[in-house]
Amino acid sequence: EVQLVESGGGLVQPGGSLKLSCAASGFTFSGSSIHWVRQTSGRGLEWVGRIRNKDNSYATAYTASVKGRFTISRDDSENTSYLQMNSLKTEDTAVYYCTRPLNTGTLAFDPWGQGTLVTVSS
Amino acid sequence: QSALTQPPSASGSPGQSVTISCTGSSSDVGSYNYVSWYQQHPGKAPKLMIYDVSKRPSGVPDRFSGSKSGNTASLTVSGLQAEDEADYYCSSYAGSPIFVFGTGTKVTVL
Repeated sequence: EVQLVESGGGLVQPGGSLKLSCAASGFTFSGSSIHWVRQTSGRGLEWVGRIRNKDNSYATAYTASVKGRFTISRDDSENTSYLQMNSLKTEDTAVYYCTRPLNTGTLAFDPWGQGTLVTVSS
Repeated sequence: QSALTQPPSASGSPGQSVTISCTGSSSDVGSYNYVSWYQQHPGKAPKLMIYDVSKRPSGVPDRFSGSKSGNTASLTVSGLQAEDEADYYCSSYAGSPIFVFGTGTKVTVL
């Protein structure tokens, strides 16, 4: 069974940092890109960014609102992706999900992890 | 990149059909056949229901169907069942690479 499990969420002050993890199992992690998506009660779902696989030079891409503050990385030996979040703002408060493409070449995501809540507040 | 526009709510009686629209622009929905739809029950993660405009992943009932015309995509749920009551989100590839999601529609089974 394909499974993704996020961890590392919590309460952090504005300007602080937090690192989320996404542990994968049930598929060839090293061959897949990993995407991060967040969900707020006010703005719905928002694509955060993605990291491609080794064959694609581990290329990363981010949405404009997090560029320069967030960094996605991966450790294929641990089947884990990471989302390093710096200079956090109150508007970064959200449930953060990791997910992967349904199949190679598709641009739809399945499955998703259960999510981890990040709260940015003083 | 702006969110795709969906109606806030839709409803139907058991057995009826409901159609949800998803309006984007020529930069996203209108340019790519990479529209997908996700179902989300309260407190749960989104689940993929339709991808590439009209394809269904394995295990998704054929009561769910998708289509697209110009800058607007649609999801139709036929033969509504109680378990279809959920929030539904569309999504589209927008190049660069960027993905944009819809504002979400709450489907109520009356």
